[in-house]
Amino acid sequence: AQKITQTQPGMFVQEKEAVTLDCTYDTSDQSYGLFWYKQPSSGEMIFLIYQGSYDEQNATEGRYSLNFQKARKSANLVISASQLGDSAMYFCAMREDHSSNTGKLIFGQGTTLQVKP
Amino acid sequence: EPEVTQTPSHQVTQMGQEVILRCVPISNHLYFYWYRQILGQKVEFLVSFYNNEISEKSEIFDDQFSVERPDGSNFTLKIRSTKLEDSAMYFCASSDSPQQRGNGYTFGSGTRLTVV
Repeated sequence: AQKITQTQPGMFVQEKEAVTLDCTYDTSDQSYGLFWYKQPSSGEMIFLIYQGSYDEQNATEGRYSLNFQKARKSANLVISASQLGDSAMYFCAMREDHSSNTGKLIFGQGTTLQVKP
Repeated sequence: EPEVTQTPSHQVTQMGQEVILRCVPISNHLYFYWYRQILGQKVEFLVSFYNNEISEKSEIFDDQFSVERPDGSNFTLKIRSTKLEDSAMYFCASSDSPQQRGNGYTFGSGTRLTVV
């Protein structure tokens, strides 16, 4: 079974509009961390935002916010006021914090976002 | 800001040849990782390394792969006899804790391996 599911292979958004990228996860751990990374065409992995499973507030980092719905096991990324430079692949990832945890990240399949001028 | 450095950025190799991908993690980090991303696909965990030994490996990390920390700074991934399907981007990452919050993992820029 997939641990991280991103159901949108590709998304379009008009410049200056907001866009939501979906991510659902599956874990039996009570403690875990959820991450979003951006991968532009140059290939590097750029950290965007983090949400801990015990964090009560949704995480925000500038134009990025994470809509964390723990009961539904979803961690959607919201990008407000999209810019042309936001065009990239976006990955949702999870780290499970069980006792044998080595800190590895499990990634979803990714969503390619294209921002239209 | 400290960086994880990966070399080379791009390597082309003949099928059956051995390759060594190199990484210099952040100096005070203790946990090291290799990930693989076949072009346009998801990023897959290969192996984690702590205290000079492998702490976890995925089913992808079979006998053709090995990792080593030959000195205090380098962290290498060796692929013994490359196959066409090993063509991918390989990312090294490091952290100072296995329960990192936020931007606690630092990824290198990757090595694009092309097997011909």
